[in-house]
Amino acid sequence: QKEVEQNSGPLSVPEGAIASLNCTYSDRGSQSFFWYRQYSGKSPELIMSIYSNGDKEDGRFTAQLNKASQYVSLLIRDSQPSDSATYLCAVNRGGGSYIPTFGRGTSLIVHP
Amino acid sequence: DADVTQTPRNRITKTGKRIMLECSQTKGHDRMYWYRQDPGLGLRLIYYSFDVKDINKGEISDGYSVSRQAQAKFSLSLESAIPNQTALYFCATSDTGTRGWNNEQFFGPGTRLTVL
Repeated sequence: QKEVEQNSGPLSVPEGAIASLNCTYSDRGSQSFFWYRQYSGKSPELIMSIYSNGDKEDGRFTAQLNKASQYVSLLIRDSQPSDSATYLCAVNRGGGSYIPTFGRGTSLIVHP
Repeated sequence: DADVTQTPRNRITKTGKRIMLECSQTKGHDRMYWYRQDPGLGLRLIYYSFDVKDINKGEISDGYSVSRQAQAKFSLSLESAIPNQTALYFCATSDTGTRGWNNEQFFGPGTRLTVL
């Protein structure tokens, strides 16, 4: 079982809708959780980080963390075609090294 | 100017050749990483370094070596390239900061390597 799991997609949503991306992780000692956006052929770009249970909002993005259930999600409100990309979930391992483990990513397509 | 740079951006080489990929950063971060990305496999960690004297293997270090020449420079070498090392390679940096477990990463633009 991979440590960080994401549905590979593609997730297709119409422009203006809410896109919901999910991620589960196996290490209960994890303390930091990140969402990166990666356009095709480009490098990953950090868009959200979250460390405490609950919601964290930044513009159209909301990250949600539930440590008891070991999942983290990303909501994108008012989705735009420019949001079409692969979204990578990353979770810092516990045990003191704090090295991120990445999921394989979910491909999001926002169609006009 | 970009905070994290990688050279070369593209490289085509032949089986058995020695290749070096270079990474430089101006962010002042202490931690540096090398990843490879293959379609459908996500990002996989090759090596990481927490400072100049600290080098650690990642999950797929076989066939690779690294050198941390300075805080700002971290190079990746393929001693004898083979075709299954064809991939997109990313360098990343992070800062220990006030919370060591924070570790937000910043990526370079990537090097597309093809081994024939």
